[in-house]
Amino acid sequence: QKEVEQNSGPLSVPEGAIASLNCTYSDRGSQSFFWYRQYSGKSPELIMFIYSNGDKEDGRFTAQLNKASQYVSLLIRDSQPSDSATYLCAVNSQADSSASKIIFGSGTRLSIRP
Amino acid sequence: DGGITQSPKYLFRKEGQNVTLSCEQNLNHDAMYWYRQDPGQGLRLIYYSQIVNDFQKGDIAEGYSVSREKKESFPLTVTSAQKNPTAFYLCASSRTGRDSYGYTFGSGTRLTVV
Repeated sequence: QKEVEQNSGPLSVPEGAIASLNCTYSDRGSQSFFWYRQYSGKSPELIMFIYSNGDKEDGRFTAQLNKASQYVSLLIRDSQPSDSATYLCAVNSQADSSASKIIFGSGTRLSIRP
Repeated sequence: DGGITQSPKYLFRKEGQNVTLSCEQNLNHDAMYWYRQDPGQGLRLIYYSQIVNDFQKGDIAEGYSVSREKKESFPLTVTSAQKNPTAFYLCASSRTGRDSYGYTFGSGTRLTVV
């Protein structure tokens, strides 16, 4: 059973600080990694994807991938109250070359306190 | 604008009744997916389809059925065999293969048994 693990939180971070969200995955063959943001009662929204080891930056968001440790993280700089949401880590299970089935973690609830 | 449309937004089902949730996309994506999300939980895969007239069971397919007669449409029927159908249902679509960039989600259907 392929798994994606996240701390459920809640993670409370003061406004303006860096929020760090972590995720581990079990399938060593995984190739693609995604972070989704989900506001309460809404559907998930893709905010970052990363394929290669290292860091990928997009505005206030940085995704970090370490395939050797099977670890992916999301950093949010200058956290804003609007960043308060549940963040889902997702991993592409490449069971075969034509499949695109993504496995989701259960999410980390982030709360930014003013 | 391209996107995924789910309808209805809210649905109420009586005991023993079958209901069908609609999902339509105009993104020209080959793959479509149905997920179920329970309060405070992650996403669980019900069914997915990578090509017209073909679909596969996900992790929790019992009590559900789907069809894929057109590329744009992937309706989900919740049958009376599904004993606990109250949940938030999410439809998603994606490209297939190694150039997949994650899923695009619809806005969801909230189903309640009355």
